[in-house]
Amino acid sequence: AQKVTQAQTEISVVEKEDVTLDCVYETRDTTYYLFWYKQPPSGELVFLIRRNSFDEQNEISGRYSWNFQKSTSSFNFTITASQVVDSAVYFCALSEGAGANSKLTFGKGITLSVRP
Amino acid sequence: GAVVSQHPSRVICKSGTSVKIECRSLDFQATTMFWYRQFPKQSLMLMATSNEGSKATYEQGVEKDKFLINHASLTLSTLTVTSAHPEDSSFYICSALQGANGYTFGSGTRLTVV
Repeated sequence: AQKVTQAQTEISVVEKEDVTLDCVYETRDTTYYLFWYKQPPSGELVFLIRRNSFDEQNEISGRYSWNFQKSTSSFNFTITASQVVDSAVYFCALSEGAGANSKLTFGKGITLSVRP
Repeated sequence: GAVVSQHPSRVICKSGTSVKIECRSLDFQATTMFWYRQFPKQSLMLMATSNEGSKATYEQGVEKDKFLINHASLTLSTLTVTSAHPEDSSFYICSALQGANGYTFGSGTRLTVV
């Protein structure tokens, strides 16, 4: 069965610090997708990134970057120069296969607080 | 981009009544939708997978007679919480699978049962 572990539960940083959110996953499939979502206090889920299992290239999008390492089954997320608006709960998620009924399994989430 | 509209965003109901939550894909057809439940400060737990024109598939431990799911069209799925009780108070969120484009989430419904 698929599983996503976000060992960190709460992280507090001061504005402009860099912060890395860890994600470790388990799956038996060779084809799978990994996701990161942001959930601000309002509750909606904001999509950040999707990465398939065959693409290990790291990605950078502005202040966000992701490090995907299949050897350690990790998909870590780094926010550079954090800002107060980054305060939210961040979820890592996994879906197996590429079929139409693939369901997402979420980690427990990491609450990030960025202090001014 | 793809949008999923979820209504209502907040609802307060009396214990014993039923509440319907709607989830609509606005600019795409969604043959598959998912319903999640999230308790405060916890993760999203999948309740059921809803397929257009067929019965929903419920996750283990989810009562299908209590959480009725209907996916009668390619753009609409509904979740009805029947005979709601205070322990059903939670944040419910739907998502639609848009083929290769992945998942689009609704904005969620905060249900409070008093």
